[in-house]
Amino acid sequence: DARVTQTPRHKVTEMGQEVTMRCQPILGHNTVFWYRQTMMQGLELLAYFRNRAPLDDSGMPKDRFSAEMPDATLATLKIQPSEPRDSAVYFCASGLAPLLGGLAIWSQHFGDGTRLSIL
Amino acid sequence: KQEVTQIPAALSVPEGENLVLNCSFTDSAIYNLQWFRQDPGKGLTSLLLIQSSQREQTSGRLNASLDKSSGRSTLYIAASQPGDSATYLCAVLNSGYALNFGKGTSLLVTP
Repeated sequence: DARVTQTPRHKVTEMGQEVTMRCQPILGHNTVFWYRQTMMQGLELLAYFRNRAPLDDSGMPKDRFSAEMPDATLATLKIQPSEPRDSAVYFCASGLAPLLGGLAIWSQHFGDGTRLSIL
Repeated sequence: KQEVTQIPAALSVPEGENLVLNCSFTDSAIYNLQWFRQDPGKGLTSLLLIQSSQREQTSGRLNASLDKSSGRSTLYIAASQPGDSATYLCAVLNSGYALNFGKGTSLLVTP
């Protein structure tokens, strides 16, 4: 069964350190999403890509966060420098973008997330 | 900006009860609405997807309805079981490909 794979599953680090989270989307999927989940805000979209090109990163703090897709099998989310308020669960999701008119039946597949704690 | 609200935030019921989870959204121009399940420490699993032209979808003991004009959806769980304990998230798809999520309803079904 195809799955979205995220690494690491857990990360604890000190404020100011660089954090890199990785995601392997499902083979053949051409859209990749990064979400952040907190108790207060719920699930928020940070950025997403189609065919490795960034389509929307308006939800991402630009001064410290960056998202890239070096190739079709890897997406990365980096935080530098990290702050305690970045503590959250970060989810990656992927999907196959539908042809025109197919959005009504379109969904995404989620990874199990990276639980990040910044001390 | 689309706002998605879920009520109640938490719910505890004894096993066997039928229950209803509610979701409302502010922008009715949606392509679809989905209900997800999230278990502790896990990702999201899609339960039901209702296209904007549909009124309801059913899967086993789950039934989801959609009233797009009023911006409401309900998830009905029949004969609840302890294994149904999880957080249930409602999400809508507007423009683009990204989902807008509610904050979820945390469900506990006690034996």
